[in-house]
Amino acid sequence: EDQVTQSPEALRLQEGESSSLNCSYTVSGLRGLFWYRQDPGKGPEFLFTLYSAGEEKEKERLKATLTKKESFLHITAPKPEDSATYLCAVYSGGGADGLTFGKGTHLIIQP
Amino acid sequence: DAGVIQSPRHEVTEMGQEVTLRCKPISGHDYLFWYRQTMMRGLELLIYFNNNVPIDDSGMPEDRFSAKMPNASFSTLKIQPSEPRDSAVYFCASMDSHYEQYFGPGTRLTVT
Repeated sequence: EDQVTQSPEALRLQEGESSSLNCSYTVSGLRGLFWYRQDPGKGPEFLFTLYSAGEEKEKERLKATLTKKESFLHITAPKPEDSATYLCAVYSGGGADGLTFGKGTHLIIQP
Repeated sequence: DAGVIQSPRHEVTEMGQEVTLRCKPISGHDYLFWYRQTMMRGLELLIYFNNNVPIDDSGMPEDRFSAKMPNASFSTLKIQPSEPRDSAVYFCASMDSHYEQYFGPGTRLTVT
């Protein structure tokens, strides 16, 4: 059974204070690891897909990296508008074929 | 493309009533997923379809839940009879060939 664990559960940063969110996973044959951003009252918004260890993706202040056991979402010089819940999910193609999500990291950026 | 469309956005009903949630996936996406999100359990997969055919419904809580996809552009999730513990946000998502899933805005269901 696929498992995804995200840490920390919540993170409060000052504007401009860089940090990283962790996503540890256990899957039988990774087809993809996904990062989503979810704002209150909205559906998860797709950010990145990582397919293999060593891969990196960047978008504005966000950078996602992947190893064989975990992924990191690095946030550089964050702004208040980066405040959201960040969800990590894996897709293995086995079993239910749906995404297996972590519980998310609730990120707050204080001005 | 307008993205994944869900309706209604909010539904308040009394215990025992039938509830129907609707979803229009992104055109061209062959897979459609129904998820449920609660504070306690996070996002959970309920059922998914491939080319309108249900593939795995092992996540459906019990027989009170049913889902259909009569064509490539429409799916429904029905709860009959509804119970207070069904209160949650229900998301529909469709997937492209890169395994990337795009979510709708969700339906917030409250059963009193």
